[in-house]
Amino acid sequence: KQEVTQIPAALSVPEGENLVLNCSFTDSAIYNLQWFRQDPGKGLTSLLLIQSSQREQTSGRLNASLDKSSGRSTLYIAASQPGDSATYLCAVSPSGNTPLVFGKGTRLSVIA
Amino acid sequence: NAGVTQTPKFQVLKTGQSMTLQCAQDMNHEYMSWYRQDPGMGLRLIHYSVGAGITDQGEVPNGYNVSRSTTEDFPLRLLSAAPSQTSVYFCASSFSGYGYTFGSGTRLTVV
Repeated sequence: KQEVTQIPAALSVPEGENLVLNCSFTDSAIYNLQWFRQDPGKGLTSLLLIQSSQREQTSGRLNASLDKSSGRSTLYIAASQPGDSATYLCAVSPSGNTPLVFGKGTRLSVIA
Repeated sequence: NAGVTQTPKFQVLKTGQSMTLQCAQDMNHEYMSWYRQDPGMGLRLIHYSVGAGITDQGEVPNGYNVSRSTTEDFPLRLLSAAPSQTSVYFCASSFSGYGYTFGSGTRLTVV
């Protein structure tokens, strides 16, 4: 059974800092991996999708990497801003026709 | 461009009542799924569907029913609500598993 772990559970950083959020999964046979952002009381917003054949994806100040063999993904946020404060969720798709398995998220606070 | 639409946004039920949470998508996605989100438990899969007429159970299916008569709609039915079903419910859809889009959620309280 695929399990997804995100460390740390919570993180507080000063504005402007570069930071890394970690995600690990137990079964390296994945279809893809998706990073989401969730603001308090809101739904999930997709940030980046990495297919199993890819090593990384970039969108603006965000960069996500994937190392299937070690069962790890990282989300790098450059020059953090208070508006980046949210919970970040990592989810893997075990195969093309099975739904996402989620980690419990990292709650990020960026202090001005 | 509505994406995934969930209704209602908020609901309060009494124990034993039944209700249906609605989920509709306009992207012609064949994959749809329902999750519940609870503090400390993360998002857990309730039921999912890979196409009209096809449904399967997820991690926490007890107390919930689903059906998929059309590509667009995937309603979640609570048969007899219990306080343990107090949660935030999210519906998601995907084209062949290539990235999922989520609805804004339904916040359900069972008293």
